[in-house]
Amino acid sequence: GQQVMQIPQYQHVQEGEDFTTYCNSSTTLSNIQWYKQRPGGHPVFLIQLVKSGEVKKQKRLTFQFGEAKKNSSLHITATQTTDVGTYFCMNSGYALNFGKGTSLLVTP
Amino acid sequence: GAVVSQHPSRVICKSGTSVKIECRSLDFQATTMFWYRQFPKKSLMLMATSNEGSKATYEQGVEKDKFLINHASLTLSTLTVTSAHPEDSSFYICSARVPRRGVGGNTIYFGEGSWLTVV
Repeated sequence: GQQVMQIPQYQHVQEGEDFTTYCNSSTTLSNIQWYKQRPGGHPVFLIQLVKSGEVKKQKRLTFQFGEAKKNSSLHITATQTTDVGTYFCMNSGYALNFGKGTSLLVTP
Repeated sequence: GAVVSQHPSRVICKSGTSVKIECRSLDFQATTMFWYRQFPKKSLMLMATSNEGSKATYEQGVEKDKFLINHASLTLSTLTVTSAHPEDSSFYICSARVPRRGVGGNTIYFGEGSWLTVV
């Protein structure tokens, strides 16, 4: 099935710095969903992108879907310690294995 | 919004016994539910897809006789870890697809997860 690769695997930033994680696919995706999992918690749905070139914002989070619908990004502006967690992307055509996710660590 | 409830959140069992984990969709009907396993600091690993009224579809390498899945109703799927061993200790999470019509696919919501410790 479709495999979505995510980079980087880990990211350590100082509070206030920006952060970006990328999802890439070799095939066109019907949509992309983003989830956040806090340490010890379960994945929580953040957003879904459907349209080519779509950009959505949630406060300091900006989600983008590529024009070719083969990649997506999540950008966090001015990170806070509450942003700590692992961010996963997934194509919801079928619930296949998630990508490895990007683990974000924010230090004060 | 859609909510998926998972129970128990934590369970400790003795080696050789069986443990059942429940996954419920609280305000929608879920014809398909998914079971995952997650080791510390690792990604979610899909174990099986649970289909209401039919047999579950297991991923390669997952023992179906050990991880019994039952999806008897549109709101409940259960995962039973049979003859549990310490190596089965893990975080188990279920998810359910909220069906939506039209373009955009189906949103997936996760249960709170169940920490299983086999001693």
